[in-house]
Amino acid sequence: KAGVTQTPRYLIKTRGQQVTLSCSPISGHRSVSWYQQTPGQGLQFLFEYFSETQRNKGNFPGRFSGRQFSNSRSEMNVSTLELGDSALYLCASSPTGGTSYEQYFGPGTRLTVT
Amino acid sequence: AQTVTQSQPEMSVQEAETVTLSCTYDTSESDYYLFWYKQPPSRQMILVIRQEAYKQQNATENRFSVNFQKAAKSFSLKISDSQLGDAAMYFCAHNSNSGYALNFGKGTSLLVTP
Repeated sequence: KAGVTQTPRYLIKTRGQQVTLSCSPISGHRSVSWYQQTPGQGLQFLFEYFSETQRNKGNFPGRFSGRQFSNSRSEMNVSTLELGDSALYLCASSPTGGTSYEQYFGPGTRLTVT
Repeated sequence: AQTVTQSQPEMSVQEAETVTLSCTYDTSESDYYLFWYKQPPSRQMILVIRQEAYKQQNATENRFSVNFQKAAKSFSLKISDSQLGDAAMYFCAHNSNSGYALNFGKGTSLLVTP
């Protein structure tokens, strides 16, 4: 099976702009989670989607939003970008009906805000 | 708040030797999962091993094993017969509220020397 894919891999945006990141989960996985990784804060949970519904949300401002499509692909959007949003954004998917809560990560999108 | 603490920012081990990475966590839940993830320089997060809290037996995956002490809320990772390819950041994680949101520690950077 193909792994989790994320596009684009690298992005450079200007403060105040908005950005959309995309994630395609492993085939058959219906849960998709997003994480932000920065040197200062480490890995932080953003949100999780299952069957097009947000099931869980981390402690991030409303500028961070996401959605999931019927094919389980997910997008996250960050509006009004700030310098502090520069980070590696990781997407992870989990097996349908799984009880072990294992998550399989994509390679990440490196976002740089200037 | 649920927290995960990795007290060793850096560790070093010689090839073929054994090394143990420490992790403690805090939770009020009785049923949860614990994970160790590896992040090499490529930044791809790789699941190394997982442990169900209700299982007394420590998980083992080839050269990787854990020492799970539920009462002490401790979850250490032992890597036996260390290989150069084991060099990476290692993150301990705990799933929050028995869902898919993972709380990560700050990570331990493992250096493997020939």
